[in-house]
Formats: sequence, C-alpha cells, structure tokens
Amino acid sequence: AQSVAQPEDQVNVAEGNPLTVKCTYSVSGNPYLFWYVQYPNRGLQFLLKYITGDNLVKGSYGFEAEFNKSQTSFHLKKPSALVSDSALYFCAVRDGGGHNNDMRFGAGTRLTVKP
Amino acid sequence: DTAVSQTPKYLVTQMGNDKSIKCEQNLGHDTMYWYKQDSKKFLKIMFSYNNKELIINETVPNRFSPKSPDKAHLNLHINSLELGDSAVYFCASSSHSGNTIYFGEGSWLTVV
Repeated sequence: AQSVAQPEDQVNVAEGNPLTVKCTYSVSGNPYLFWYVQYPNRGLQFLLKYITGDNLVKGSYGFEAEFNKSQTSFHLKKPSALVSDSALYFCAVRDGGGHNNDMRFGAGTRLTVKP
Repeated sequence: DTAVSQTPKYLVTQMGNDKSIKCEQNLGHDTMYWYKQDSKKFLKIMFSYNNKELIINETVPNRFSPKSPDKAHLNLHINSLELGDSAVYFCASSSHSGNTIYFGEGSWLTVV
C-alpha cells in the first residue's frame, strides 16, 4: 500500500524567509501527490497536486511543490513566508494505477512563521 | 455554499451511547469518505463509498457503521461509544477519478 513520510513534526521560519516542508512517498504504481493545509479547528484545504506533466506545480497562496521521482519526494515550498501561513500541512499520496480512491496522508508538519 | 457539510460540528456524549454524524456533498462526486483525526492530528481513513457501494473499509471496530442512502450522503453511526472514540471525524468527497479530495469542516466528538 502507498505511504507518505513527513520527517519534520515542526518547521519554524521567520516571516519573509523561504520555507520548505518535506515529504517523501512510497507507491507501487504512478504517484498522485497532494498537499493540504489545516488551520485550527478547520477542515483540510487542498493546496496543490501533481498527477503528470511538469515536475514543479504551483498552487494556492503562492505555494509550490517539486516532484522528484528519483528521490521519491514532493517537498512543499514558498519563496517568502507569511505569518498567516502558520498551520498544519499534510502531504498525501494515491496510487494512480489503483482501482480505488485510497489516499494516504502523512502525519502532518506544523509550520510556524514568526514575525 | 458549503461543498461538503457535516453535522453536528460538536458533539459531547456519554460512554455507551449511540450517535450519528451526517454528511452531505453538493459537488456531484461519486465517492465519499470518512476520516478520523486523533489528538496527535494523525489522519486515518475509515471508509470509502463509491456510488453507495463500500470500497474501502479499514480496520475499524464494527461499532462504526457507515450508511449511504444516495451518492450525495454518507452518514456515520457509532454504537456503544467509548472514550477512545473521542476524535475529529472528517467527511470528504471526490470524483470517481479520486484526484482531489474535498473535506468537510469536521465533527468534534468527545466521549465522557
């Protein structure tokens, strides 16, 4: 079965600095990769996804992520962090060759952006 | 308009009670899900339904029973609630291709 690892429980950055939230995946078929954000007491909101095509995908709120097949990674990035980016971020993977819609989530990374 | 809506948002109940959480989506999706998020924020799939048919049924106690009257609704019924059932339960939906899952705002269940 597919799985996702987010190696950092917590990422702290200063406002205006670039941020990276790491994600590695394992899947037997084609990886369909996603990033979601969760603000306090809210549901998960979709940020971006990679299905096929360009390895660099752009999403909501200025976020982007780079698919790296050789490193089986899909790190989330933003050139300049905002305090309002502080939230819980989840990476997720689905097997594109699978016959069901089973999407697996990582454990989440809490991003804190300090003024 | 809320795309995936679930009720109630907050639920406090005693051990041993039976409760239900309702979910509706107006996105025209064929697939609906229930996820559980524990106190450490770990998100785990519980069930997935496609066109009212059970697709995914993870290792979940049989006290949890999903019901899908139509493809726009997936309700979660929990019998004999236990303290360990306290969590946030998220309903979600996706198109049949399953590329993007859209989540509801969550239902905070506290068992006392």
